[in-house]
Amino acid sequence: GENVEQHPSTLSVQEGDSAVIKCTYSDSASNYFPWYKQELGKRPQLIIDIRSNVGEKKDQRIAVTLNKTAKHFSLHITETQPEDSAVYFCAAGDAGNKLTFGGGTRVLVKP
Amino acid sequence: GAGVSQSPRYKVTKRGQDVALRCDPISGHVSLYWYRQALGQGPEFLTYFNYEAQQDKSGLPNDRFSAERPEGSISTLTIQRTEQRDSAMYRCASSLTRSEQFFGPGTRLTVL
Repeated sequence: GENVEQHPSTLSVQEGDSAVIKCTYSDSASNYFPWYKQELGKRPQLIIDIRSNVGEKKDQRIAVTLNKTAKHFSLHITETQPEDSAVYFCAAGDAGNKLTFGGGTRVLVKP
Repeated sequence: GAGVSQSPRYKVTKRGQDVALRCDPISGHVSLYWYRQALGQGPEFLTYFNYEAQQDKSGLPNDRFSAERPEGSISTLTIQRTEQRDSAMYRCASSLTRSEQFFGPGTRLTVL
């Protein structure tokens, strides 16, 4: 089955700096890679996703890159703000099918 | 519109009792997923449905766990003879065909 590794497990950045989270996956059949943000006590919410026919996708301060050959994908957050503080999860799978999640990255943005 | 809802939000039960957790997906969503999330970890897949058909139950830990979605809308996850190790947050999610999964608020299950 699919296995997703996520690094780092914690990330502390100064407000305004960039944050990068990296994930690797094992199953070459995976074609859908969403990123979820989970604030304390809340449900996971999708922030961006990418499909395997695209190498990069950007939405305002958030971007995701995918390298299918190397089986890794990354989340980039620029100009971080205190409200970006949360746990971020990457996932891999087949759209319309089950997702395998990484272990999460706790991001702390210091004012 | 209304998002995914789950009930109860909290359930405390004694070891050996059966529990039923309910998920009400977003109206019109074809797919419904069940995950279990331990504190500080990512959701772990349990099972999923397209309409009323259970497509994959490979994540169910053992035969004490079962799920159904008889009319292709509301789903119930049932855990028989609960054990302490079953304590976790149980989340469901729903999606349109091959699209984003929207998560519910979860049911926090505590087995004493």
